[in-house]
Amino acid sequence: DARVTQTPRHKVTEMGQEVTMRCQPILGHNTVFWYRQTMMQGLELLAYFRNRAPLDDSGMPKDRFSAEMPDATLATLKIQPSEPRDSAVYFCASGLSRGAGRVYEQYFGPGTRLTVT
Amino acid sequence: GESVGLHLPTLSVQEGDNSIINCAYSNSASDYFIWYKQESGKGPQFIIDIRSNMDKRQGQRVTVLLNKTVKHLSLQIAATQPGDSAVYFCAENVNAGGTSYGKLTFGQGTILTVHP
Repeated sequence: DARVTQTPRHKVTEMGQEVTMRCQPILGHNTVFWYRQTMMQGLELLAYFRNRAPLDDSGMPKDRFSAEMPDATLATLKIQPSEPRDSAVYFCASGLSRGAGRVYEQYFGPGTRLTVT
Repeated sequence: GESVGLHLPTLSVQEGDNSIINCAYSNSASDYFIWYKQESGKGPQFIIDIRSNMDKRQGQRVTVLLNKTVKHLSLQIAATQPGDSAVYFCAENVNAGGTSYGKLTFGQGTILTVHP
């Protein structure tokens, strides 16, 4: 049963600390998405990659957030420095895009619940 | 103190009833729509999708209806079960080419509670 995995599942940190969240997409999927979910804003797309290349990160605060795919089996989302307003659940999702086309199903991981105090 | 956040619509039904969850989407250029189910503590789970060249699509116990005229989407769940209790989100995607294919815009969600 192929699944997207995310680590850590929970993270509590102090303001100003660096936070790194990791995602392992489903093997064979070529598109990876990062989302953030809060009570205020709902579910928002932060960034996404196709074939490890960043395609769109317009939803991500550029000054403190960065997203990378060091290899096809690992995506990372980093916040440095973290702030209390970054507290949220961060989801990774993966999917398969044929050519430059649409991903018709995105498979979500269980999320990382981040609390910044 | 009081927390401020989204006040999600709620739907309460009895087990065995049919449920209808509604969604108004925002962009008339959207041509692909998806329904997701999110259980507490889990990520959203794909339920069913529909493309704009269709008005209706059926899955197992679920049906999605699309009315492009009024930009409305609905999810019908037949014979609702306690395991269907979750938050349901609609999402839309705009066919604008290029990087747009990855961009889903999610609705706020509806809380479905199924009573045994």
